[in-house]
Amino acid sequence: KAGVTQTPRYLIKTRGQQVTLSCSPISGHRSVSWYQQTPGQGLQFLFEYFSETQRNKGNFPGRFSGRQFSNSRSEMNVSTLELGDSALYLCASSPLGTGVSETQYFGPGTRLLVL
Amino acid sequence: SQQGEEDPQALSIQEGENATMNCSYKTSINNLQWYRQNSGRGLVHLILIRSNEREKHSGRLRVTLDTSKKSSSLLITASRAADTASYFCATDDNYGQNFVFGPGTRLSVLP
Repeated sequence: KAGVTQTPRYLIKTRGQQVTLSCSPISGHRSVSWYQQTPGQGLQFLFEYFSETQRNKGNFPGRFSGRQFSNSRSEMNVSTLELGDSALYLCASSPLGTGVSETQYFGPGTRLLVL
Repeated sequence: SQQGEEDPQALSIQEGENATMNCSYKTSINNLQWYRQNSGRGLVHLILIRSNEREKHSGRLRVTLDTSKKSSSLLITASRAADTASYFCATDDNYGQNFVFGPGTRLSVLP
């Protein structure tokens, strides 16, 4: 099976713009989670989607949003970008439907730089 | 504050030696997981240990969990240069609603 794929791999934006990141989970996986990784804050949970519904959410402002499609692919959107949003954004999928309480398979990440 | 915190922050050993990393957490959990991240790559799952388990093995990896002390340890035996990476523990909260990573231990295995 193909692994989790994320597009694009690298992205440069300017403050105030918005960005959409895409994640395709492993075939058959229905749960998709998103994480932000920065040197200062480490790895932080953004949200988790299951069956097109946001099931869990971390402690991030409303500028961070996401959605999941019927084929389990997921997108994450960040509006009104700030310099502090520069990070590696990781997507993970899991097979059993219990989301964050089970083994997660991570994609390579999208590295976002906000200038 | 973070649910999981690793100790030490950095560890440097010679090839062939064992490496031990510790993780502490604050609240009740369903399970605890260890992940590895090589430079420039995504996270790779190593082991999941459930709250009712005390020890688990996978190849050269051994994980222990002490729920009374809210701590876990990851032992890598006979380390190799390829084990050089950052290692993270991660826990869910007791409701399975949040997933928290520790700050990680950066392991360097010198040839």
